[in-house]
Amino acid sequence: EAQVTQNPRYLITVTGKKLTVTCSQNMNHEYMSWYRQDPGLGLRQIYYSMNVEVTDKGDVPEGYKVSRKEKRNFPLILESPSPNQTSLYFCASSLSRPPAEQYFGPGTRLTVT
Amino acid sequence: TQLLEQSPQFLSIQEGENLTVYCNSSSVFSSLQWYRQEPGEGPVLLVTVVTGGEVKKLKRLTFQFGDARKDSSLHITAAQPGDTGLYLCAGARTSGTYKYIFGTGTRLKVLA
Repeated sequence: EAQVTQNPRYLITVTGKKLTVTCSQNMNHEYMSWYRQDPGLGLRQIYYSMNVEVTDKGDVPEGYKVSRKEKRNFPLILESPSPNQTSLYFCASSLSRPPAEQYFGPGTRLTVT
Repeated sequence: TQLLEQSPQFLSIQEGENLTVYCNSSSVFSSLQWYRQEPGEGPVLLVTVVTGGEVKKLKRLTFQFGDARKDSSLHITAAQPGDTGLYLCAGARTSGTYKYIFGTGTRLKVLA
């Protein structure tokens, strides 16, 4: 089944403890992206990747890192999480650059205390 | 800075009514997409419009891209409870960047 998977689905952590949220797609998509969703703000793009080893900042990259060492994986790293990073995170992938259809993962709900 | 404003934010209507959701910006986009998101899931693409003035229909849903490619609308005819969800517009610029800008969202509830 073609899909985007994210892990974990739920995570509660403390300020400053490094964490990684994994994202994987099995559709051989070139474009991958991370978003955060907060009430009243819609989705905001954190980082995106056009292909392996090619990443670029979205609108809210501060406090996040990404890497794209393999085409199928695009992990999101929070090296020192803070409470303002408490949010619902979505990974998405598309066959090619915008406006190709994006397929979203199921989301990761992160709480930083 | 939020560049895509959606209105209304919330909408609660009776089954069978018509409604229109608006997505407005002061910026020009090369394309505009509409997504629907249900609780506990990621957004799912409904439509992509790329030409100014373009109109697309998907069953009871009609999507329009403004002539100047700065705004879009989603019209639902004879709404049904299955239309309930969060509707998001998303614009893309493809000159020098490949970012998406999402709208603030419209939460629609259709009552049976």
